[in-house]
Amino acid sequence: AQSVTQLDSQVPVFEEAPVELRCNYSSSVSVYLFWYVQYPNQGLQLLLKYLSGSTLVESINGFEAEFNKSQTSFHLRKPSVHISDTAEYFCAVTNTGANNLFFGTGTRLTVIP
Amino acid sequence: EAGVTQFPSHSVIEKGQTVTLRCDPISGHDNLYWYRRVMGKEIKFLLHFVKESKQDESGMPNNRFLAERTGGTYSTLKVQPAELEDSGVYFCASSQVGGRSPLHFGNGTRLTVT
Repeated sequence: AQSVTQLDSQVPVFEEAPVELRCNYSSSVSVYLFWYVQYPNQGLQLLLKYLSGSTLVESINGFEAEFNKSQTSFHLRKPSVHISDTAEYFCAVTNTGANNLFFGTGTRLTVIP
Repeated sequence: EAGVTQFPSHSVIEKGQTVTLRCDPISGHDNLYWYRRVMGKEIKFLLHFVKESKQDESGMPNNRFLAERTGGTYSTLKVQPAELEDSGVYFCASSQVGGRSPLHFGNGTRLTVT
């Protein structure tokens, strides 16, 4: 069975500071990994994904995540956060041969002016 | 393109009543998923349609939940009779292809059972 662990339920950070949101997963087979973001009063939106190839993936708004197979991690990072990054972030995993996603419990990022 | 739409956005019902949630996926998306998030917990998979067929309903909590997707377009999720523990946010998502294809989510329906 698969599972995703997001240990940090809330992460407050000052504007322009760096941030890392942690994600660890468990799976016995090859996986696809995703980060979704939910802004207030909106649905989840795909932020970035790892399917294959380069283990470092980037989003258009400056976030990046690195797939680390040996540590079964897919941490999300941004070197300098903006107020607009305030949202809830969800890590998710699926088997390469499956269809449904397994989500973590989410991390609420609050950027403080 | 229009996104995934869900109706209603909020629903407050009493224990024992019936509620029906509706999801309109993105046009042309054969795959439709229902997920649920109970407050503070993870977003949990409920079921997956491919067109009008249930591909995987392993996440449905019990037989009080009934999902349909007649004609392979919109989908409904009925809860009958509702219990207190059914409260949460119900998300619908659609995709063109399963697996590696990203999911497009609706804004969710917040269900409160009192």
